[in-house]
Amino acid sequence: DAGVIQSPRHEVTEMGQEVTLRCKPISGHDYLFWYRQTMMRGLELLIYFNNNVPIDDSGMPEDRFSAKMPNASFSTLKIQPSEPRDSAVYFCASSERGEAFFGQGTRLTVV
Amino acid sequence: SQQGEEDPQALSIQEGENATMNCSYKTSINNLQWYRQNSGRGLVHLILIRSNEREKHSGRLRVTLDTSKKSSSLLITASRAADTASYFCATGGGGFKTIFGAGTRLFVKA
Repeated sequence: DAGVIQSPRHEVTEMGQEVTLRCKPISGHDYLFWYRQTMMRGLELLIYFNNNVPIDDSGMPEDRFSAKMPNASFSTLKIQPSEPRDSAVYFCASSERGEAFFGQGTRLTVV
Repeated sequence: SQQGEEDPQALSIQEGENATMNCSYKTSINNLQWYRQNSGRGLVHLILIRSNEREKHSGRLRVTLDTSKKSSSLLITASRAADTASYFCATGGGGFKTIFGAGTRLFVKA
């Protein structure tokens, strides 16, 4: 397996634009996590899914953030409208009841 | 809010020395995991210790868990320059929600 695949690796967008981050988890993993990492706040859990169902989205900062998992092999994190304070590295991870495997992250810059 | 808190925040040692990092957490857990993150990269899983285990080894890594004190330690023996990275503890609780601490930055000088 190629591991957790995230796209794009880098995204630069203007304030107010919609941003969509994508994640392909490891096949067979039934948990998927979205994290955000910044220098100020560290690594924050935004939302996680089990068997494609959102279990806990209490970490989603605002209604501008939404996440979906339409099937077991794909998830998206959308920010609409984006703001400069959303600039961060966004990680997707998947697991099978234990260790989490992380993607390489998407570095988002909102100018 | 953070579940795990690593200590120290930063650690600088000479190659060959041992590095010890600590993690404290707040609520009951099913397991505790340690991860490494090299600058600009994703996190890599190092070791998982379950709540009914007290100590676990993996190569140069030794992890202990004290559930009565809600704390864990990660020991890296005979450190190498390549061990330079940030180390995070993460706790797994109900529903396998994994929460990370702020991390310890380890710098190993050659």
